[in-house]
Amino acid sequence: KQEVTQIPAALSVPEGENLVLNCSFTDSAIYNLQWFRQDPGKGLTSLLLIQSSQREQTSGRLNASLDKSSGRSTLYIAASQPGDSATYLCAVQGYGQNFVFGPGTRLSVLP
Amino acid sequence: EAGVAQSPRYKIIEKRQSVAFWCNPISGHATLYWYQQILGQGPKLLIQFQNNGVVDDSQLPKDRFSAERLKGVDSTLKIQPAKLEDSAVYLCASSLVARATDTQYFGPGTRLTVL
Repeated sequence: KQEVTQIPAALSVPEGENLVLNCSFTDSAIYNLQWFRQDPGKGLTSLLLIQSSQREQTSGRLNASLDKSSGRSTLYIAASQPGDSATYLCAVQGYGQNFVFGPGTRLSVLP
Repeated sequence: EAGVAQSPRYKIIEKRQSVAFWCNPISGHATLYWYQQILGQGPKLLIQFQNNGVVDDSQLPKDRFSAERLKGVDSTLKIQPAKLEDSAVYLCASSLVARATDTQYFGPGTRLTVL
């Protein structure tokens, strides 16, 4: 059974810092991995999707990497802004299976 | 383009009562998902519909939870009777089809509190 963990559970940084969020999964036989953002009282918004054949994806100030063999993914946020404050979730999808989500990292960027 | 709509946004009930949630997916989206998100945890899939057929309901507690998607559009999720541990946010999502690379669009969720 796939299990997904995220470290740290919460993170508080001053504006402008570069930061890294970590995601680990137990079964490396995945089809893809996706990073989501969740704002309080709102649903999830997809940020980046990495297919199993890819090593990384970039969108603006966000960069996500995937190392299937070690069961890890990282989300790098450059030059953080207060508007980046949210909970970040990673989700792993196996072949023919649905997403298994991690518990999330709650990020606060202080002005 | 209108997003996924859910109602109500908040619901407070006592244990053993019944409750129903409604979801209207994005127009034209064939696949609809219901997730349960307990505080401090990631969402857990309860049920997946493809049009009006069930694709995956392996994690749905069928003794108390039921869901339907009439005419392959709107969907309702019901809990009867509710337990304290059902307190959670219930998220609905939809996607165009069910390909692994299709983006799932999430609604704002319904926050259920069971007292």
